[in-house]
Amino acid sequence: AQKVTQAQTEISVVEKEDVTLDCVYETRDTTYYLFWYKQPPSGELVFLIRRNSFDEQNEISGRYSWNFQKSTSSFNFTITASQVVDSAVYFCALRDSNYQLIWGAGTKLIIKP
Amino acid sequence: EAGVTQSPTHLIKTRGQQATLRCSPISGHTSVYWYQQALGLGLQFLLWYDEGEERNRGNFPPRFSGRQFPNYSSELNVNALELEDSALYLCASSSGLAVAKNIQYFGAGTRLSVL
Repeated sequence: AQKVTQAQTEISVVEKEDVTLDCVYETRDTTYYLFWYKQPPSGELVFLIRRNSFDEQNEISGRYSWNFQKSTSSFNFTITASQVVDSAVYFCALRDSNYQLIWGAGTKLIIKP
Repeated sequence: EAGVTQSPTHLIKTRGQQATLRCSPISGHTSVYWYQQALGLGLQFLLWYDEGEERNRGNFPPRFSGRQFPNYSSELNVNALELEDSALYLCASSSGLAVAKNIQYFGAGTRLSVL
């Protein structure tokens, strides 16, 4: 069965600290896509990144970076030098063979000034 | 370019009533998805429409239904409302092409409260 696990329910750090959000997935498909979304208090989910199963290169976008490791079925997300505006709930998702997104439970990130 | 728009922002109903939620996709997108996000819970997939047809539905009772119009906008109807239907309902849209890898873009949601 397809499954996405975000074991960290809530993380709280002080501004400027680095923080890593974990995502572990399960799938029997050989071709699949993984996504990260951010949900600020306003409620709207904001797309951050998409990664396909054949591309294991890490990606960096400004203060954000993603580490994809097929060997451990993980797709972790790191924020460097966190800022208060990064406070949000972050969701990891897997596209299944029926083309639906399987969502993790989300990690609430609190950045304290 | 306008993003996904949902209306109303908030909706208050009483148990047993019907609720209608609306969604306009990004211009050029033909697929619309509906999700329920109850308090403290993750996103639960409700419905997927593409080109006016229902392509898939999640594990919800038949009183959750919807449709997609020729202009690709969509409506979600919830009949015989129950208290546990109180949630944030999110709509997303995507291109109908390359379904396996397309990105879903979300609206701000409709918060439904059932009293």
